[in-house]
Amino acid sequence: DSGVTQTPKHLITATGQRVTLRCSPRSGDLSVYWYQQSLDQGLQFLIQYYNGEERAKGNILERFSAQQFPDLHSELNLSSLELGDSALYFCASSARGGATNIQYFGAGTRLSVL
Amino acid sequence: GNSVTQMEGPVTLSEEAFLTINCTYTATGYPSLFWYVQYPGEGLQLLLKATKADDKGSNKGFEATYRKETTSFHLEKGSVQVSDSAVYFCALSGREQGGSEKLVFGKGTKLTVNP
Repeated sequence: DSGVTQTPKHLITATGQRVTLRCSPRSGDLSVYWYQQSLDQGLQFLIQYYNGEERAKGNILERFSAQQFPDLHSELNLSSLELGDSALYFCASSARGGATNIQYFGAGTRLSVL
Repeated sequence: GNSVTQMEGPVTLSEEAFLTINCTYTATGYPSLFWYVQYPGEGLQLLLKATKADDKGSNKGFEATYRKETTSFHLEKGSVQVSDSAVYFCALSGREQGGSEKLVFGKGTKLTVNP
């Protein structure tokens, strides 16, 4: 068990809908990362938060947004969903966010857009 | 930007065979290098890491050495077991423009070990 909790494990929804994915980092970890895993794109970085502040953005669509709350949990919001958004979404956390810090991954949320 | 190229599978081996999965990288500066493993239906688990040139990471019989001169971080295991069947990802983390220490992953190599 990595200590990173993601809910829900599975989400099935329709095109045009909006969903929220939740992540609770390991106790004490300040940095949260979101990644998308799809068959065609592989594992891609979406966004990073550090202690409540956005630190970096990757290939995140404008329809997607995220935030990190004062208790350090994070949510990834996906709106106007398209079939191509179907993927496995992972959250990872690390202690301070440095390049040598290990990122611990949750089990992921599998999103299916029908 | 930073990138990782790893041997694409699938790789199928018999139990007790020798395993090598090649990984090379492109990065500015001195990235940290990682191997993650993903078992079916699970998230990614760190297998091993190395943070500077010539460091050797090792765990559960797996090893990889950070070779700056060849920009490589090949994964090896002397004798694989059925329980090693999984997808293996090579990744790097380095300070890029914007300050993120995001992980950049290779495409993954699926390993199947037959009894």
